[in-house]
Amino acid sequence: QVQLVESGGGVVQPGRSLRLSCAASGFIFSSYGLHWVRQAPGKGLEWVAVIRFDGTNEYYADSVKGRFTISRDNSKNTMDLQMNSLRAEDTGVYYCARDAYSGHPMDYWGQGTLVTVSS
Amino acid sequence: QSALTQPPSASGSPGQSVTISCTGSSSDVGAYNYVSWYQQHPGKAPKLIIYEVSKRPSGVPDRFSGSKSGNTASLTVSGLQAEDEADYYCSSYAGNLVVFGGGTKLTVL
Repeated sequence: QVQLVESGGGVVQPGRSLRLSCAASGFIFSSYGLHWVRQAPGKGLEWVAVIRFDGTNEYYADSVKGRFTISRDNSKNTMDLQMNSLRAEDTGVYYCARDAYSGHPMDYWGQGTLVTVSS
Repeated sequence: QSALTQPPSASGSPGQSVTISCTGSSSDVGAYNYVSWYQQHPGKAPKLIIYEVSKRPSGVPDRFSGSKSGNTASLTVSGLQAEDEADYYCSSYAGNLVVFGGGTKLTVL
């Protein structure tokens, strides 16, 4: 069965960095694009970034462009999100999700990892 | 990248139908037939229930249906059941990017 497991969340001070990881299993990892989606406490979903199945292209939401970097290692079935210059508004649960079909629907999601940016 | 517009809340009695709207622009909803809908129960990860405007993934009941007209997409839940009470989010492809709606809390009365 498809599984996505996020890790790396925690409490971090504003301006510092944090790296999230997503470990995948149960499918051919190198055939699928992957997304990061976040959800601030009590708020809605916000798309963060996507990386193509082969890692050749990545796209970001304006709110994180230039601060966050998405990457993947198809030999290890993992995807990362490097988050720099963190702000209080980056606080939330970060989900990794598998990209399916055309138009970026996300058919499998992890359980999420909580990032809290606070001094 | 402006968020799609959804009503904050919707409600219906068991057995009734309810429709949730999702309004975007000519750059996202109106430009592509790539609208998705997600159901999220409290404390859980979102679940894909509609993709490409009106297609349902395997295992999603046919009580859930989607449509689109111009810049507005809609999700209809027919024959409401207690377990349908959840938050619903629309999303749209926007040229390599993705934009979500603000979410609609569906209450089953």
